[in-house]
Amino acid sequence: SSELTQDPAVSVALGQTVRITCQGDSLRSYYASWYQQKPGQAPVLVIYGKNNRPSGIPDRFSGSSSGNTASLTITGAQAEDEADYYCNSRDSSGNLVVFGGGTKLTVL
Amino acid sequence: EVQLVESGGGLVQPGGSLRLSCAASGFTFSSYAMSWVRQAPGKGLEWVSAISGSGGSTYYADSVKGRFTISRDNSKNTLYLQMNSLRAEDTAVYYCAKPLAGYYYDSSGYQFDYWGQGTLVTVSS
Repeated sequence: SSELTQDPAVSVALGQTVRITCQGDSLRSYYASWYQQKPGQAPVLVIYGKNNRPSGIPDRFSGSSSGNTASLTITGAQAEDEADYYCNSRDSSGNLVVFGGGTKLTVL
Repeated sequence: EVQLVESGGGLVQPGGSLRLSCAASGFTFSSYAMSWVRQAPGKGLEWVSAISGSGGSTYYADSVKGRFTISRDNSKNTLYLQMNSLRAEDTAVYYCAKPLAGYYYDSSGYQFDYWGQGTLVTVSS
């Protein structure tokens, strides 16, 4: 079982805002990063650090954190945002890396 | 342009061995710790192992410790994963991944900005 917990599935209406969460004790000490993965493709980093987007990631993606919960927010979800989203961070010891179980986002 | 190209995947019997390679280009390979991440069919991402830039420090998930060995050849800009005593549950696409920061324990040392296309390992009789 993962040290980071995500809801298995979330849906959002086209153009609306959706928040995907990631919970874990290590998130009190380490930032989560977020990855988007579409079928048959490698993951793509969309958010890292406190709230940073790599070049080319639309500004509708944002990140936040409070206590043991990190969140990825998509403001004005688009059809192309339909994908699996994974958070990752360090484990509670700080020595290893962990991923959340992933959230399947459906855009209605 | 950063490129990571994995190879070496294939079909192997339970108990068998396989060595994966990841050829890196477009960045100073020796300055970055590197990781392997896998994804079983229809499942989520699982971090497998990491190695420091010099190769002197290695890290493993409990699920592979004692069976897998990560290594690198900085003269060839290549990362390796030697997989022994393979089990059916090791069946997955294996990705190599480059972190944002070079030092493994850096605040961005676990945040992966580049991934390879993956190589499929199937463990079956």
